[in-house]
Amino acid sequence: QVQLQESGPGLVKPSETLSLTCAVSGGSISTYYWSWIRQPPGKGLEWVGYIYRTGSTNYNPSLKSRVTISLDTSKSQFSLRLSSVTATDTAVYYCARQIYSYGPLFYGMDVWGQGTTVTVSS
Amino acid sequence: DIQMTQSPSSLSASVGDRVTVTCRASQTITNSLNWYQQKPGKVPKLLIYAASSLQSGVPSRFSGSGSGTDFTLTISSLQPEDSATYYCQQSYNTPWTFGQGTKVEIK
Repeated sequence: QVQLQESGPGLVKPSETLSLTCAVSGGSISTYYWSWIRQPPGKGLEWVGYIYRTGSTNYNPSLKSRVTISLDTSKSQFSLRLSSVTATDTAVYYCARQIYSYGPLFYGMDVWGQGTTVTVSS
Repeated sequence: DIQMTQSPSSLSASVGDRVTVTCRASQTITNSLNWYQQKPGKVPKLLIYAASSLQSGVPSRFSGSGSGTDFTLTISSLQPEDSATYYCQQSYNTPWTFGQGTKVEIK
């Protein structure tokens, strides 16, 4: 049973860089696409981006200039960095496994971490 | 970006009722539509993928239909544990986008 666990600071100062890690256990990180999703307090879900085993990435254009997702297969984890944060980046950040098939054709995100709350405040 | 619009934004129904939530995409997304359930303070849970495929372990009272731009999530017989917010999400083109959510409450 694959499990995901996010970790990282819960408080980040404005203009600094948010850094989170998602540890993958119970399965191979080299088989799927892996996404980050965030949810501001009381609001809906926003996809941040994904990474594939090859290291190829795809980011939400609304965040593209500030976001970097990386993969460390030796540690079975992937990471999110979001630079120049402001209060609008305050959210619960989730990592998730992306289902796909040959093409690739993408389906839903079937395994999620528990989420980690990040607050941007001085 | 593909815009996803859900209706209604909220609904209240009784146990045993048939409940329908709709989701409309701003352009065709073939069948690349997924549905999630999120309970307060909990992680989103995948219910339906590819518009109509039931995710493993999800009760059969949940079903999805549609293709192109119009999709439906149906709960055939509402149960107390179905009280939650439901989101649709398109996986046709990045950026993946979600609907604004539909809050389902039990009368």
